[in-house]
Amino acid sequence: GQNIDQPTEMTATEGAIVQINCTYQTSGFNGLFWYQQHAGEAPTFLSYNVLDGLEEKGRFSSFLSRSKGYSYLLLKELQMKDSASYLCAVRVSGGSYIPTFGRGTSLIVHP
Amino acid sequence: DARVTQTPRHKVTEMGQEVTMRCQPILGHNTVFWYRQTMMQGLELLAYFRNRAPLDDSGMPKDRFSAEMPDATLATLKIQPSEPRDSAVYFCASGSEQGASGYTFGSGTRLTVV
Repeated sequence: GQNIDQPTEMTATEGAIVQINCTYQTSGFNGLFWYQQHAGEAPTFLSYNVLDGLEEKGRFSSFLSRSKGYSYLLLKELQMKDSASYLCAVRVSGGSYIPTFGRGTSLIVHP
Repeated sequence: DARVTQTPRHKVTEMGQEVTMRCQPILGHNTVFWYRQTMMQGLELLAYFRNRAPLDDSGMPKDRFSAEMPDATLATLKIQPSEPRDSAVYFCASGSEQGASGYTFGSGTRLTVV
């Protein structure tokens, strides 16, 4: 199985930058996802990384290092609406393509 | 925007009753997942379908849970009999097999078993 670690909770200030880390241990790595989930809502897709490097999408960027089993989600120009849980999910190859989710990082953005 | 539709949104039932949850995946998506989310365990995979065929249900308690996909527009998850420990939010998600564009989650069914 996969072992996925994320910090449980982080706080940051509106307008600042925050980096949410995710480390994983797995064999047959086949991609890493980041999802955002507001309280009481469904997870929504943010990013997908399968090769090393940085993927940028507006205020959000995601980085992957396969050799280190490490990813981070970078949120810039934080807004109050970014307060949510951020879920890291790892997928392995081997016939099926099932993402396994970490427990998520609860981000609190304060004024 | 295309959506994954789940019904019902909320369900309160008594222990021992049968519960059926339904999901309409996005047209053209050939991969469907059922996940359960609780505060204690986070998101756990229950079942996985590709092209309507069940490929993985190892996370599902087989004695009481069953998942089917009778056609490409409908996936169902049944619990019989339900127990209080089944109380959770059940999400359906769909996507393409490679999933590079991510998987789209439905709004979920919040199940409470009393």
